[in-house]
Amino acid sequence: GQNIDQPTEMTATEGAIVQINCTYQTSGFNGLFWYQQHAGEAPTFLSYNVLDGLEEKGRFSSFLSRSKGYSYLLLKELQMKDSASYLCAVMDSNYQLIWGAGTKLIIKP
Amino acid sequence: ETGVTQTPRHLVMGMTNKKSLKCEQHLGHNAMYWYKQSAKKPLELMFVYNFKEQTENNSVPSRFSPECPNSSHLFLHLHTLQPEDSALYLCASSQVGSGDVNEQFFGPGTRLTVL
Repeated sequence: GQNIDQPTEMTATEGAIVQINCTYQTSGFNGLFWYQQHAGEAPTFLSYNVLDGLEEKGRFSSFLSRSKGYSYLLLKELQMKDSASYLCAVMDSNYQLIWGAGTKLIIKP
Repeated sequence: ETGVTQTPRHLVMGMTNKKSLKCEQHLGHNAMYWYKQSAKKPLELMFVYNFKEQTENNSVPSRFSPECPNSSHLFLHLHTLQPEDSALYLCASSQVGSGDVNEQFFGPGTRLTVL
């Protein structure tokens, strides 16, 4: 079966760095997405990785290792507004997104 | 503003009611999706419409009935729902086949409560 695993909840301090991991087992791979979802709001696109390596976009970076079925989202200089759920999703061989349950990130002052 | 709108934002209905959820995308995309989001569970893909043709129906109960009259509008018709159907229903759209990233853009969702 297809499976996406990520931690349920993480806590970090304002100004610090946090890494959210995602491991996956899917039938085929056509890219990995990270989305941010604030409580009561729609998920919004953060990043996309299809080749191995690190993609940097401002304070956020995303890493992919296809051979290990592994990705992480790195958030630097954490701000209170970064408190949200972070969703990992893999596009399978049918170009459908398989979603993880999301990681709730709590930022403390 | 993500370019995808959904109405209503909140809906409370009894098990014998019939209601419809509406989604509209203003992004010129050719694919639209219905997802169910329950607390602490992964997003569940319910239906996919690609170029107005339904391409996926992931074993969704017949009490949920989708309709896609054109590439900009998507409906989800609800009838004789069960309390366990209470969830956030999200609509999304994307541009399929362009060779680009193909990220999905989500609407704000409809919070559905079935009594």
